[in-house]
Amino acid sequence: GAVVSQHPSRVICKSGTSVKIECRSLDFQATTMFWYRQFPKQSLMLMATSNEGSKATYEQGVEKDKFLINHASLTLSTLTVTSAHPEDSSFYICSGAAKGYGYTFGSGTRLTVV
Amino acid sequence: KNEVEQSPQNLTAQEGEFITINCSYSVGISALHWLQQHPGGGIVSLFMLSSGKKKHGRLIATINIQEKHSSLHITASHPRDSAVYICAVAEETSGSRLTFGEGTQLTVNP
Repeated sequence: GAVVSQHPSRVICKSGTSVKIECRSLDFQATTMFWYRQFPKQSLMLMATSNEGSKATYEQGVEKDKFLINHASLTLSTLTVTSAHPEDSSFYICSGAAKGYGYTFGSGTRLTVV
Repeated sequence: KNEVEQSPQNLTAQEGEFITINCSYSVGISALHWLQQHPGGGIVSLFMLSSGKKKHGRLIATINIQEKHSSLHITASHPRDSAVYICAVAEETSGSRLTFGEGTQLTVNP
């Protein structure tokens, strides 16, 4: 079945550095990739939606210069957290969508900024 | 008021019990999804429904479009079913974007 491979699963970085999270769709082509953020005991919050080859659409309140999303191909989308701060520590998860495949979620990335 | 509401928020059961988790929504939808999130965080899509009922193993999902309500049932529950179960809807007007419920934390004790 459809799989979205997300890496890394955990990352600890220093404040001020940038972190890149990758999501690859395996065995299918994700025409749309959704990026979510989840705080403890809360549900998923949509950060942005990206379609292959076009700029991402960001949700209100999400800084596009801080959370850079690239969806250069139908099988790869990346989220880069730039100049990370401790308040960016969270669980980030992607979901690929394609006609006939529904939604396929990555395994998530737990980011800790120290 | 959230557009998608789940109940209960927390549920503890003994192994073997029949479990029901409910989801109500207030918007027009093209589909409803039931998702399972394990303690590690990964999310698995269990069902996508637009009408009627679906069954997969010990899991059954039903939806009543007129009443804007869906239920997820687990028969013969097992400790490995312990997870957060999330209801999510794809709104008619928002394309493929999902709106999530708050989730139901299920704990099944042996």
